[in-house]
Amino acid sequence: DAGITQSPRHKVTETGTPVTLRCHQTENHRYMYWYRQDPGHGLRLIHYSYGVKDTDKGEVSDGYSVSRSKTEDFLLTLESATSSQTSVYFCAISESHIRELFFGEGSRLTVL
Amino acid sequence: SQELEQSPQSLIVQEGKNLTINCTSSKTLYGLYWYKQKYGEGLIFLMMLQKGGEEKSHEKITAKLDEKKQQSSLHITASQPSHAGIYLCGADYSGNTPLVFGKGTRLSVIA
Repeated sequence: DAGITQSPRHKVTETGTPVTLRCHQTENHRYMYWYRQDPGHGLRLIHYSYGVKDTDKGEVSDGYSVSRSKTEDFLLTLESATSSQTSVYFCAISESHIRELFFGEGSRLTVL
Repeated sequence: SQELEQSPQSLIVQEGKNLTINCTSSKTLYGLYWYKQKYGEGLIFLMMLQKGGEEKSHEKITAKLDEKKQQSSLHITASQPSHAGIYLCGADYSGNTPLVFGKGTRLSVIA
């Protein structure tokens, strides 16, 4: 199994509070992704990174920011959480865009 | 409009029966990936298809990509309870951009 860990795995927070989710990999893969999974919408890309300090937006990036200061860590930040950001968040890694993704176990976020 | 459509949305089959899940793209695919997700867990990579007409098998699961590279099917032979979960297809449209996923097909296998 690919070495990916997400933290926290579960979080309940209140509207307006900042939240940071962490993705840590031990595979030294260049690409890292954040997806969110919602009923009726499937899996949608939030942001991705193609190297240290190199990031780009995905389909649903509004309200989210990311940072990658080290190869192994990719942080997803919700500056001011809203109820619409209640979701399950998945981190994924890959060696390149044309190689398979390896997914973390997911982080379930509830915004009250 | 949705670029990638999966059908059916959900499927209930009796153990031992065969089944097929489809993934249709509105644009030509550079590559197509199949993943399986057990309830409450992350996604597990199953297979990747890149060539028109390509077919790959792993245990009792076979995936095909049509010649036009716009449709893929996932076929499970003699389904077992261990096949239950959500199957997602992921589309690679250029070889240089992140995967776009379908909404998934929820499979239940009953005894």
